[in-house]
Amino acid sequence: ETGVTQTPRHLVMGMTNKKSLKCEQHLGHNAMYWYKQSAKKPLELMFVYNFKEQTENNSVPSRFSPECPNSSHLFLHLHTLQPEDSALYLCASSQNRDPGTEAFFGQGTRLTVV
Amino acid sequence: GQQLNQSPQSMFIQEGEDVSMNCTSSSIFNTWLWYKQDPGEGPVLLIALYKAGELTSNGRLTAQFGITRKDSFLNISASIPSDVGIYFCAGQRLNNDMRFGAGTRLTVKP
Repeated sequence: ETGVTQTPRHLVMGMTNKKSLKCEQHLGHNAMYWYKQSAKKPLELMFVYNFKEQTENNSVPSRFSPECPNSSHLFLHLHTLQPEDSALYLCASSQNRDPGTEAFFGQGTRLTVV
Repeated sequence: GQQLNQSPQSMFIQEGEDVSMNCTSSSIFNTWLWYKQDPGEGPVLLIALYKAGELTSNGRLTAQFGITRKDSFLNISASIPSDVGIYFCAGQRLNNDMRFGAGTRLTVKP
């Protein structure tokens, strides 16, 4: 238990569906992240939020829409996804964005797009 | 770019054997981190290294931050079945930008 909780753990959705992934941390951290993990590939950073403000968007398609209503919660809204978007989506948080700050990961949401 | 090359991709070892894996990059990093990911779980931090040349241990795990700041290795001594999983290296720059290796999948045979 790292203190970062993701729901749901598994999600199957059609290409025309709209769904949302949720991440919650009670560690008092100010920075939160979304990563995509595909088989045999490095973790890909998608979005970074620092003090509720989005500070990075690594060329992520607009069918992924993040939302950070407060420092403890992070959402990833999904719309019109493609089968190649199937992956493990990991949320992480860190105390801040200072150099050397450690990131703590949630258990991930295994997404399958059919 | 800042790609991390992690090797080996996979290892099959006997219980009790020692394990060594490493990460190299063409870029300099200010922090090196090693994570382990169990099946169905997110990565969990094992060791963090903050200075070039630093050698740090955590139980049976030992990791080093390369002198050139472009590489790091992780050793596991006397492996046990629960060491099974995927091990990731990560390099972090001053702006907190973190890059991950593709992972080393470790299988330990009892």
